[in-house]
Amino acid sequence: SQTIHQWPATLVQPVGSPLSLECTVEGTSNPNLYWYRQAAGRGLQLLFYSVGIGQISSEVPQNLSASRPQDRQFILSSKKLLLSDSGFYLCAWSVGRGIIGYTFGSGTRLTVV
Amino acid sequence: AQTVTQSQPEMSVQEAETVTLSCTYDTSESDYYLFWYKQPPSRQMILVIRQEAYKQQNATENRFSVNFQKAAKSFSLKISDSQLGDAAMYFCAYRRPTYSGAGSYQLTFGKGTKLSVIP
Repeated sequence: SQTIHQWPATLVQPVGSPLSLECTVEGTSNPNLYWYRQAAGRGLQLLFYSVGIGQISSEVPQNLSASRPQDRQFILSSKKLLLSDSGFYLCAWSVGRGIIGYTFGSGTRLTVV
Repeated sequence: AQTVTQSQPEMSVQEAETVTLSCTYDTSESDYYLFWYKQPPSRQMILVIRQEAYKQQNATENRFSVNFQKAAKSFSLKISDSQLGDAAMYFCAYRRPTYSGAGSYQLTFGKGTKLSVIP
């Protein structure tokens, strides 16, 4: 069966520090991968998606970047965190274009102080 | 751009009763996909039910069913025989048709409805 792992679960980082969140998927090949951010009182906003190794598409300009070094690994990074980067980050994967839905990871709560 | 509106920030239901969560969306497209996701306190998003716009029949999954009104652009979720474990945030989401190119990858979410279940 397919599983998605995301870590860490919580993270507190000072402003200006770097960030690296990792997501891995097991039990499937060539998944589409996504990073979403959920701000308090709001829905989810798509940040990045990837349809293959090294292929990254950004949906919104921001202080973050994403990389996909391996087929089932998706990394969200920042060189210097801002206060506004605080939020709940969710990784997700889908088969193809996700018409049967996405499967989400358990999320990372990031607090920038 | 597509928008998804959930007009009920919070709702409550008595255990074993039925509750309906509302969702409306704005689109000019015809072949799209709609989803309801549940986010319990653990924060993990769980797919509850999906609906394909080209299918007129309303989707059902055990105690969960939808009322899909395409002309009205309405996609409500009905939870029957509510259980304590149903307490969660519920998000409605829209996905564009697959032929819409790169934009079809994105799920557009509403802001959610917080459902409380009263014992």
